[in-house]
This record gives sequence, C-alpha cells and structure tokens, in this order.
Amino acid sequence: DGGITQSPKYLFRKEGQNVTLSCEQNLNHDAMYWYRQDPGQGLRLIYYSQIVNDFQKGDIAEGYSVSREKKESFPLTVTSAQKNPTAFYLCASSQDASGGPREQFFGPGTRLTVL
Amino acid sequence: AQSVTQLGSHVSVSEGALVLLRCNYSSSVPPYLFWYVQYPNQGLQLLLKYTSAATLVKGINGFEAEFKKSETSFHLTKPSAHMSDAAEYFCAVRMDTGRRALTFGSGTRLQVQP
Repeated sequence: DGGITQSPKYLFRKEGQNVTLSCEQNLNHDAMYWYRQDPGQGLRLIYYSQIVNDFQKGDIAEGYSVSREKKESFPLTVTSAQKNPTAFYLCASSQDASGGPREQFFGPGTRLTVL
Repeated sequence: AQSVTQLGSHVSVSEGALVLLRCNYSSSVPPYLFWYVQYPNQGLQLLLKYTSAATLVKGINGFEAEFKKSETSFHLTKPSAHMSDAAEYFCAVRMDTGRRALTFGSGTRLQVQP
C-alpha cells in the first residue's frame, strides 16, 4: 500500500537533547511538508520541500532543521534551541508543488514529549 | 497572505441532526479550499476539496461543502450526523502563487450526542 510512515509514534526527550523524527513516503511525491499541531491552534508549517536537495522555512522554523537527500525521505530534527517542543508533529506530501488543487496526504504523526 | 477562520472551536449536535461547520477565507483571488478530518492521535484525512469546477462539492462519508465567493465561505455540512462523525475538522486554503503549502484554520471539534 502506498502511503506515508512516521516513526516513532511516541517520543520522549530530555531537555537539551536533539531528536530526529522520521518521515518516509512511497507515493513518488515531489513535495513534502512538516507541521506542528498544538491544541486549539490548528496546524502550523515548520518546513517544506518542493524537490530533492531543496527546502524552505515555514512559519515556525526556529529550533528545527530538515534535510531532503532522497525523494522519499524528509526527516525533521528538533534541536535544543526549540523552547517548547512538546507537540504532535505531522508529515505530509503532495504530488508536486506546481500549483493547482493538489491535496496533501498525511502520515499518522509523532507525539513528542519533553520531560 | 491568505488566512482561514473557522467559527466555533467546538460544535455539539445530536445524532441524526444537521451538521454545519463554518469556514471563511481571506484571499484576493479564489483559492483552492480543502476540508480534512482528524480522529484522535491520527493524521488528517481529506474529506473534500474545491477546485473551481463546481461550487457544491461532495466528499466522503456524506459530507459536502458549498463555495460562496460573495461570502468568502466554504462551510461543511452533513444532513444527518452519525456517532462516527465525532472528530476534529480542519478547513485549509492553498494559493496558486507564492507559497503553495496549505494554510489551516484552527479546527472545529465535533461532538455527536446520542
């Protein structure tokens, strides 16, 4: 089955540690996205990538970093510089970023808790 | 920049009653509009999308939405609520120019009472 996988489902981190969230898709999509979800705030865009080896900051990129070395993979690193990292993180992909009514497909999410 | 407003963070209906979830967008040109549903601790699933082909859009699970340019609205409706409809619903907008990522509303949590 084609889809998006995120791992781990639950992640616990101590303050001051960097952690990396995995996102893999086998939909052959060009564009990939990372969102953060907090209660009552909807989804906020962290980073997005329209093509391999290229990515752009979203609305809340501070304290996060990404890479896009392969088309199917878009890992997100939450660094110690992120002041309030406890949240639900969602990865998404879309066929391409050329415009039009391209919907995004979402992974199941990773819940990160800082202890 | 585009934005999306969802009126009502919580909506409660009785089983069998009409469901109406409100979404208004701000944009200088008609955007592409989407409704997604999220069940607890899961990702988002697309319900329907507006692509300018028709103003009344039918989606999965009996939901539909009507695009009204004059009101800059894209409200989601379902004639008869089912217990399984209890979830959080997000309206999102995407433009054809500039940043093409989705911009989401803050969400509406739907409760269905037996």
